[in-house]
Amino acid sequence: TQLLEQSPQFLSIQEGENLTVYCNSSSVFSSLQWYRQEPGEGPVLLVTVVTGGEVKKLKRLTFQFGDARKDSSLHITAAQPGDTGLYLCAGASNTDKLIFGTGTRLQVFP
Amino acid sequence: SAVISQKPSRDICQRGTSLTIQCQVDSQVTMMFWYRQQPGQSLTLIATANQGSEATYESGFVIDKFPISRPNLTFSTLTVSNMSPEDSSIYLCSVEGVEGSLTDTQYFGPGTRLTVL
Repeated sequence: TQLLEQSPQFLSIQEGENLTVYCNSSSVFSSLQWYRQEPGEGPVLLVTVVTGGEVKKLKRLTFQFGDARKDSSLHITAAQPGDTGLYLCAGASNTDKLIFGTGTRLQVFP
Repeated sequence: SAVISQKPSRDICQRGTSLTIQCQVDSQVTMMFWYRQQPGQSLTLIATANQGSEATYESGFVIDKFPISRPNLTFSTLTVSNMSPEDSSIYLCSVEGVEGSLTDTQYFGPGTRLTVL
């Protein structure tokens, strides 16, 4: 069974701080996606990474796919209250299905 | 990306009844999926909705409890049958194969929040 473990599970920080969320597995994925979900909404796609070692930047968010395509990280610089939400990583398996991570709930206080 | 709508957005139902959730996409897509999400938790795949054939269910989910239809490439329904309080959850549809998107990228609807009393 493919599993994606995210850490930390919960994170409460002050506005302006930096943070990193990790997404780890023992399985190899063909691609990995990061989503952010706010209360009452569906997950919103942030990025898809495909190549081992790939780094993508989206304003203050930096995403990295591990060289072996088993893990990924999301780094947020100078967090803002608008970054608050549930962050989910999801790996694409060889069965056309996404395997979702356990989730990281981020709270950024003004 | 794609614009995905779900109806209803929320409902409160009595145990023993059934609820059908609709998912509509603004463009033709290859794949449609149904997920369940407990409040504050991650997503669990219920089934893949196949156009013109029976849905493919994940372990722990059966057709009698969660019948699914997909009559065309832009629409699907999920029915939660004979509901119990344990079915209280958020139900999400997603789509894959949106034109211009990377392979395996899924886009989600806003979800249906179901409460069973």
